[in-house]
Amino acid sequence: DTGVSQDPRHKITKRGQNVTFRCDPISEHNRLYWYRQTLGQGPEFLTYFQNEAQLEKSRLLSDRFSAERPKGSFSTLEIQRTEQGDSAMYLCASSLPGASNNEQFFGPGTRLTVL
Amino acid sequence: AQKVTQAQTEISVVEKEDVTLDCVYETRDTTYYLFWYKQPPSGELVFLIRRNSFDEQNEISGRYSWNFQKSTSSFNFTITASQVVDSAVYFCALKGNTPLVFGKGTRLSVIA
Repeated sequence: DTGVSQDPRHKITKRGQNVTFRCDPISEHNRLYWYRQTLGQGPEFLTYFQNEAQLEKSRLLSDRFSAERPKGSFSTLEIQRTEQGDSAMYLCASSLPGASNNEQFFGPGTRLTVL
Repeated sequence: AQKVTQAQTEISVVEKEDVTLDCVYETRDTTYYLFWYKQPPSGELVFLIRRNSFDEQNEISGRYSWNFQKSTSSFNFTITASQVVDSAVYFCALKGNTPLVFGKGTRLSVIA
Protein backbone atom coordinates (compact mmCIF):
# COMPACT_ATOMS: atom_id res chain seq x y z
CA ASP A 1 0.00 0.00 0.00
CA THR A 2 1.57 3.28 -1.07
CA GLY A 3 -0.95 5.63 0.53
CA VAL A 4 -0.61 7.73 3.66
CA SER A 5 -0.61 5.56 6.76
CA GLN A 6 -1.31 6.49 10.36
CA ASP A 7 -0.76 4.64 13.59
CA PRO A 8 -2.57 3.87 15.78
CA ARG A 9 -6.01 3.95 14.22
CA HIS A 10 -7.69 4.30 17.58
CA LYS A 11 -6.44 5.52 20.94
CA ILE A 12 -8.32 5.67 24.22
CA THR A 13 -6.58 7.45 27.06
CA LYS A 14 -7.33 8.97 30.41
CA ARG A 15 -7.31 12.69 30.93
CA GLY A 16 -3.86 13.95 31.79
CA GLN A 17 -1.96 11.26 29.90
CA ASN A 18 0.36 11.96 26.98
CA VAL A 19 -0.29 10.42 23.57
CA THR A 20 1.75 10.25 20.39
CA PHE A 21 0.55 9.55 16.87
CA ARG A 22 2.59 8.66 13.84
CA CYS A 23 2.08 9.48 10.16
CA ASP A 24 3.93 7.99 7.21
CA PRO A 25 3.35 10.05 4.05
CA ILE A 26 3.47 8.89 0.46
CA SER A 27 7.17 8.39 -0.21
CA GLU A 28 7.78 11.06 -2.84
CA HIS A 29 5.71 13.69 -1.02
CA ASN A 30 7.77 16.31 0.80
CA ARG A 31 4.84 18.21 2.33
CA LEU A 32 3.04 16.81 5.34
CA TYR A 33 0.00 18.21 7.10
CA TRP A 34 -1.85 17.52 10.34
CA TYR A 35 -5.56 18.24 10.76
CA ARG A 36 -8.11 17.69 13.49
CA GLN A 37 -11.69 16.72 12.75
CA THR A 38 -14.49 16.72 15.31
CA LEU A 39 -17.92 15.23 14.83
CA GLY A 40 -20.00 17.04 12.24
CA GLN A 41 -17.18 19.35 11.21
CA GLY A 42 -14.70 19.52 8.41
CA PRO A 43 -10.99 18.99 9.05
CA GLU A 44 -9.21 21.92 10.69
CA PHE A 45 -5.59 22.67 9.89
CA LEU A 46 -3.10 22.19 12.72
CA THR A 47 0.39 22.34 11.22
CA TYR A 48 2.43 21.74 8.09
CA PHE A 49 5.94 20.55 7.25
CA GLN A 50 8.00 20.91 4.15
CA ASN A 51 10.66 18.25 4.47
CA GLU A 52 11.79 18.51 8.10
CA ALA A 53 10.89 22.19 8.53
CA GLN A 54 7.67 23.05 10.33
CA LEU A 55 6.52 26.04 8.31
CA GLU A 56 3.14 26.88 9.75
CA LYS A 57 1.16 26.28 12.93
CA SER A 58 -2.47 27.04 13.64
CA ARG A 59 -3.71 28.87 16.70
CA LEU A 60 -5.49 25.60 17.44
CA LEU A 61 -2.11 24.05 18.23
CA SER A 62 -1.79 24.85 21.92
CA ASP A 63 1.44 24.48 23.88
CA ARG A 64 0.38 20.95 24.79
CA PHE A 65 0.68 19.92 21.14
CA SER A 66 3.99 19.32 19.41
CA ALA A 67 4.75 17.90 16.00
CA GLU A 68 8.02 16.73 14.55
CA ARG A 69 9.33 15.42 11.28
CA PRO A 70 12.97 14.81 12.13
CA LYS A 71 14.23 13.28 8.90
CA GLY A 72 11.69 14.69 6.51
CA SER A 73 9.90 11.38 6.21
CA PHE A 74 7.44 10.25 8.92
CA SER A 75 5.97 12.68 11.41
CA THR A 76 4.75 12.44 14.99
CA LEU A 77 2.11 14.48 16.75
CA GLU A 78 2.26 14.47 20.55
CA ILE A 79 -0.41 15.75 22.87
CA GLN A 80 0.66 16.25 26.47
CA ARG A 81 -1.70 16.29 29.45
CA THR A 82 -4.68 15.34 27.31
CA GLU A 83 -8.06 16.95 27.97
CA GLN A 84 -11.52 15.70 27.05
CA GLY A 85 -11.73 18.45 24.44
CA ASP A 86 -8.84 16.82 22.59
CA SER A 87 -11.11 13.93 21.60
CA ALA A 88 -11.25 14.01 17.82
CA MET A 89 -10.01 12.36 14.67
CA TYR A 90 -6.46 13.40 13.85
CA LEU A 91 -5.77 13.32 10.14
CA CYS A 92 -2.47 13.40 8.32
CA ALA A 93 -2.09 14.35 4.67
CA SER A 94 0.79 14.68 2.25
CA SER A 95 1.33 16.35 -1.09
CA LEU A 96 3.87 16.50 -3.87
CA PRO A 97 6.68 19.03 -3.96
CA GLY A 98 6.09 22.19 -5.91
CA ALA A 99 3.03 24.36 -5.65
CA SER A 100 1.42 24.61 -2.24
CA ASN A 101 -1.94 24.16 -3.88
CA ASN A 102 -1.26 20.60 -4.93
CA GLU A 103 -3.97 18.23 -3.84
CA GLN A 104 -3.43 16.62 -0.48
CA PHE A 105 -3.82 12.90 0.05
CA PHE A 106 -5.18 11.89 3.40
CA GLY A 107 -4.51 8.96 5.68
CA PRO A 108 -7.21 7.00 7.53
CA GLY A 109 -6.80 9.07 10.68
CA THR A 110 -6.24 8.33 14.36
CA ARG A 111 -9.38 8.54 16.47
CA LEU A 112 -8.55 9.80 19.96
CA THR A 113 -10.94 9.38 22.86
CA VAL A 114 -10.01 11.07 26.13
CA LEU A 115 -11.94 9.72 29.12
CA ALA B 1 -10.42 35.51 5.96
CA GLN B 2 -11.14 32.37 4.01
CA LYS B 3 -14.50 30.72 4.50
CA VAL B 4 -16.38 27.85 2.92
CA THR B 5 -20.10 27.38 3.43
CA GLN B 6 -21.94 24.16 2.66
CA ALA B 7 -25.48 25.07 3.58
CA GLN B 8 -26.89 21.58 3.05
CA THR B 9 -26.13 19.54 6.15
CA GLU B 10 -27.81 16.35 4.96
CA ILE B 11 -29.40 15.24 1.72
CA SER B 12 -31.28 12.02 1.00
CA VAL B 13 -32.04 10.86 -2.51
CA VAL B 14 -33.34 7.70 -4.08
CA GLU B 15 -30.92 5.76 -6.23
CA LYS B 16 -30.65 7.01 -9.83
CA GLU B 17 -31.73 10.53 -8.92
CA ASP B 18 -29.41 13.43 -9.69
CA VAL B 19 -28.19 15.48 -6.74
CA THR B 20 -26.31 18.77 -6.47
CA LEU B 21 -24.17 19.69 -3.48
CA ASP B 22 -23.71 23.40 -2.97
CA CYS B 23 -20.51 25.20 -1.99
CA VAL B 24 -20.08 28.93 -1.51
CA TYR B 25 -16.73 30.41 -0.61
CA GLU B 26 -15.27 33.70 0.57
CA THR B 27 -11.75 34.91 -0.06
CA ARG B 28 -9.89 38.13 -0.77
CA ASP B 29 -7.13 36.33 -2.63
CA THR B 30 -7.09 36.76 -6.39
CA THR B 31 -5.46 33.39 -6.89
CA TYR B 32 -7.00 30.48 -5.07
CA TYR B 33 -7.88 26.84 -5.49
CA LEU B 34 -11.07 24.95 -4.78
CA PHE B 35 -11.32 21.28 -3.94
CA TRP B 36 -13.92 18.61 -3.33
CA TYR B 37 -13.23 15.61 -1.11
CA LYS B 38 -15.37 12.58 -0.31
CA GLN B 39 -15.34 10.97 3.12
CA PRO B 40 -17.02 7.54 3.03
CA PRO B 41 -18.04 5.73 6.22
CA SER B 42 -14.53 4.26 6.46
CA GLY B 43 -13.35 7.79 7.28
CA GLU B 44 -10.54 8.36 4.78
CA LEU B 45 -10.86 11.56 2.77
CA VAL B 46 -10.69 10.94 -0.96
CA PHE B 47 -9.63 13.71 -3.33
CA LEU B 48 -12.13 14.32 -6.15
CA ILE B 49 -11.17 17.53 -7.95
CA ARG B 50 -9.08 20.70 -7.82
CA ARG B 51 -9.97 23.87 -9.71
CA ASN B 52 -7.98 27.11 -9.83
CA SER B 53 -9.57 30.54 -9.77
CA PHE B 54 -8.61 31.34 -13.34
CA ASP B 55 -10.31 28.33 -14.84
CA GLU B 56 -14.08 28.61 -14.85
CA GLN B 57 -14.61 25.76 -17.25
CA ASN B 58 -17.03 23.23 -15.93
CA GLU B 59 -15.68 19.72 -15.60
CA ILE B 60 -17.27 16.34 -16.03
CA SER B 61 -15.81 13.06 -14.87
CA GLY B 62 -18.12 10.12 -15.39
CA ARG B 63 -21.22 10.71 -13.26
CA TYR B 64 -19.59 13.66 -11.50
CA SER B 65 -19.65 17.24 -12.72
CA TRP B 66 -18.58 20.54 -11.21
CA ASN B 67 -19.90 24.04 -11.87
CA PHE B 68 -17.54 26.86 -10.89
CA GLN B 69 -18.98 30.38 -11.00
CA LYS B 70 -16.74 33.19 -9.76
CA SER B 71 -19.55 35.71 -10.07
CA THR B 72 -21.47 33.96 -7.31
CA SER B 73 -18.41 32.49 -5.51
CA SER B 74 -19.82 29.03 -5.92
CA PHE B 75 -18.33 25.66 -6.79
CA ASN B 76 -21.20 23.19 -6.92
CA PHE B 77 -20.92 19.45 -7.38
CA THR B 78 -23.50 17.31 -9.18
CA ILE B 79 -23.76 13.55 -9.11
CA THR B 80 -25.84 12.15 -11.95
CA ALA B 81 -27.75 8.89 -11.55
CA SER B 82 -26.69 8.51 -7.93
CA GLN B 83 -25.74 5.11 -6.54
CA VAL B 84 -25.71 3.70 -3.03
CA VAL B 85 -21.89 3.77 -3.09
CA ASP B 86 -22.07 7.56 -3.39
CA SER B 87 -23.31 7.72 0.21
CA ALA B 88 -20.68 9.71 2.10
CA VAL B 89 -19.89 13.11 3.52
CA TYR B 90 -18.65 15.51 0.86
CA PHE B 91 -16.39 18.42 1.72
CA CYS B 92 -15.65 21.52 -0.31
CA ALA B 93 -12.34 23.22 0.51
CA LEU B 94 -10.53 26.43 -0.38
CA LYS B 95 -6.85 27.26 -0.52
CA GLY B 96 -5.62 30.78 -1.07
CA ASN B 97 -2.61 32.21 0.74
CA THR B 98 -3.62 30.36 3.87
CA PRO B 99 -3.85 26.68 4.72
CA LEU B 100 -6.65 24.60 3.28
CA VAL B 101 -10.02 25.57 4.74
CA PHE B 102 -12.86 23.04 4.68
CA GLY B 103 -16.59 23.51 4.84
CA LYS B 104 -18.62 21.55 7.37
CA GLY B 105 -19.58 18.98 4.79
CA THR B 106 -22.80 17.63 3.34
CA ARG B 107 -23.87 14.13 4.27
CA LEU B 108 -25.38 12.41 1.26
CA SER B 109 -27.49 9.31 1.70
CA VAL B 110 -28.50 7.42 -1.40
CA ILE B 111 -31.33 5.00 -0.74
CA ALA B 112 -31.79 1.88 -2.84
